[in-house]
Amino acid sequence: GESVGLHLPTLSVQEGDNSIINCAYSNSASDYFIWYKQESGKGPQFIIDIRSNMDKRQGQRVTVLLNKTVKHLSLQIAATQPGDSAVYFCAENKYNNNDMRFGAGTRLTVKP
Amino acid sequence: KAGVTQTPRYLIKTRGQQVTLSCSPISGHRSVSWYQQTPGQGLQFLFEYFSETQRNKGNFPGRFSGRQFSNSRSEMNVSTLELGDSALYLCASSLGRGLPDTQYFGPGTRLTVL
Repeated sequence: GESVGLHLPTLSVQEGDNSIINCAYSNSASDYFIWYKQESGKGPQFIIDIRSNMDKRQGQRVTVLLNKTVKHLSLQIAATQPGDSAVYFCAENKYNNNDMRFGAGTRLTVKP
Repeated sequence: KAGVTQTPRYLIKTRGQQVTLSCSPISGHRSVSWYQQTPGQGLQFLFEYFSETQRNKGNFPGRFSGRQFSNSRSEMNVSTLELGDSALYLCASSLGRGLPDTQYFGPGTRLTVL
């Protein structure tokens, strides 16, 4: 498995601001990408996904951007709220293969 | 629809013992995947079961095993527990077919090995 450090990247934002969480993925053959949110003591919660034939997808208050050229994924959260405070993971896999590979995660803290 | 459920939620074992964790997928989901989450290694894929067969496997030793029943419920077993097996074990279910196949996670079982 991938080795990640003990210290997660952190992002601290003011309530109401927009947040951008970035992720670099490793496999250029990956064709499906997901963002998960994990709150303390809970399992990861699905937020939004995107297929490799798209470069942008929008949900409610969230937007995912995919740049396949540089293997980069980002999650934008509009009008960030205290309830958005959590660890956010990006995950990549190939269709018909549930061996998802997760990034290290980013801890988002929203200050009131 | 009820979400993915995992039992037990917390477990304390000692080195050398074995443990069995249980996962009930979302109704209609036929694929169950297991992950180990630790602060040092993050989220790592253990294995996936679909229609009672292991379909994918991660890089874990043979002490980690699993199975799936005809009702799609799954169990994972860890034998000869080591201190390093202390982790949050997460189960995720998905339909197992179609594109894309989004996985939904349960709350996890927190295993502590003393």
